[in-house]
Amino acid sequence: DAGVIQSPRHEVTEMGQEVTLRCKPISGHNSLFWYRQTMMRGLELLIYFNNNVPIDDSGMPEDRFSAKMPNASFSTLKIQPSEPRDSAVYFCASSFAFSYNEQFFGPGTRLTVL
Amino acid sequence: KNEVEQSPQNLTAQEGEFITINCSYSVGISALHWLQQHPGGGIVSLFMLSSGKKKHGRLIATINIQEKHSSLHITASHPRDSAVYICAVREGGSRLTFGEGTQLTVNP
Repeated sequence: DAGVIQSPRHEVTEMGQEVTLRCKPISGHNSLFWYRQTMMRGLELLIYFNNNVPIDDSGMPEDRFSAKMPNASFSTLKIQPSEPRDSAVYFCASSFAFSYNEQFFGPGTRLTVL
Repeated sequence: KNEVEQSPQNLTAQEGEFITINCSYSVGISALHWLQQHPGGGIVSLFMLSSGKKKHGRLIATINIQEKHSSLHITASHPRDSAVYICAVREGGSRLTFGEGTQLTVNP
């Protein structure tokens, strides 16, 4: 298996632009997680899905952030409009079953908002 | 919210040394994870445990539920073990709360 796939790996954009990050979980996994990592705050859970349904989005910073999972093999995290403080590494992870299983992380997307 | 504290924040060792990284948390949990983040940024899950001890190669993870404490041990450390080690706890469901990480540097 190729593991969790994220694209793009790097994104540089200007403030105010829309940014879309993409994630393909490991085949057969039914839980998907979006994390953000910054120097100041470390790793934070933004949102997670179980069977394509958002379960907990309390970590989503504000209305500029939205996430979707239209099917079991694809998810997007969108920021509109982007701001410099959104600059971070965004990780997607997946696991099998709702809990008590390890999560497999993607390589991350490094986002820079100028 | 669970408070997860790791110690030390930074650790430098000589190749071959035995290394211990500690993690304490404040609220009862269902599971604890140890993650390794490579210098290139990738994150790998090392262990997930809810009791006792697990071993994988030179890595050993232990947890004491009563004391709300876990340790990650590395035996015969090697420069390739240099990475950030992150402790994360799960209280219920799938939400993880992360520690700040321990930066380990192993010198040859």
